[in-house]
Amino acid sequence: TQLLEQSPQFLSIQEGENLTVYCNSSSVFSSLQWYRQEPGEGPVLLVTVVTGGEVKKLKRLTFQFGDARKDSSLHITAAQPGDTGLYLCAGPYRGATNKLIFGTGTLLAVQP
Amino acid sequence: EAGVVQSPRYKIIEKKQPVAFWCNPISGHNTLYWYLQNLGQGPELLIRYENEEAVDDSQLPKDRFSAERLKGVDSTLKIQPAELGDSAVYLCASSFGQYNEQFFGPGTRLTVL
Repeated sequence: TQLLEQSPQFLSIQEGENLTVYCNSSSVFSSLQWYRQEPGEGPVLLVTVVTGGEVKKLKRLTFQFGDARKDSSLHITAAQPGDTGLYLCAGPYRGATNKLIFGTGTLLAVQP
Repeated sequence: EAGVVQSPRYKIIEKKQPVAFWCNPISGHNTLYWYLQNLGQGPELLIRYENEEAVDDSQLPKDRFSAERLKGVDSTLKIQPAELGDSAVYLCASSFGQYNEQFFGPGTRLTVL
């Protein structure tokens, strides 16, 4: 069974701090996606990583896909209150087209 | 481009009552999903449609849940009768592209009393 475990589960930090969220699996994924979900809204896609070792930057957010394509990380530099939300990684089910498995989620709160 | 539309945004019902949720996906997106999401957790797939065909409904509790996607566009998810444990957010999404990137609606927050 493919599982995506995220850590930490909860994170509360002060504005300006840096943080890293991890997404780990024992299975290989052909690609991974990261979503952010703000309170009362649906998840919004941030990035898709597709190559082992790939690093993508989106302003203050840096995404990395592990060399073995079993894990990924999201690093936020100088967090702001607007970064508050639930961060989700997701990857395609092996053998099932058009179906994603979502990670367990990391709830981030950035205090002003 | 309009996003995925869901209604209602909130619904409060008593247990054993029926409830229905509606979703209008992004135009041109053939794949539509219904997910259930509990607080602070990742979405869990209930059913996936390719056009009007339900191609994956293995996680749908068929004794009380039903769904339809007539004409391959709008979709409705129904629960009858609702139970206390059905309280959750019900998300609709549609997808497009090589990596099946998903576009979500705002969700319907269901509270069963």
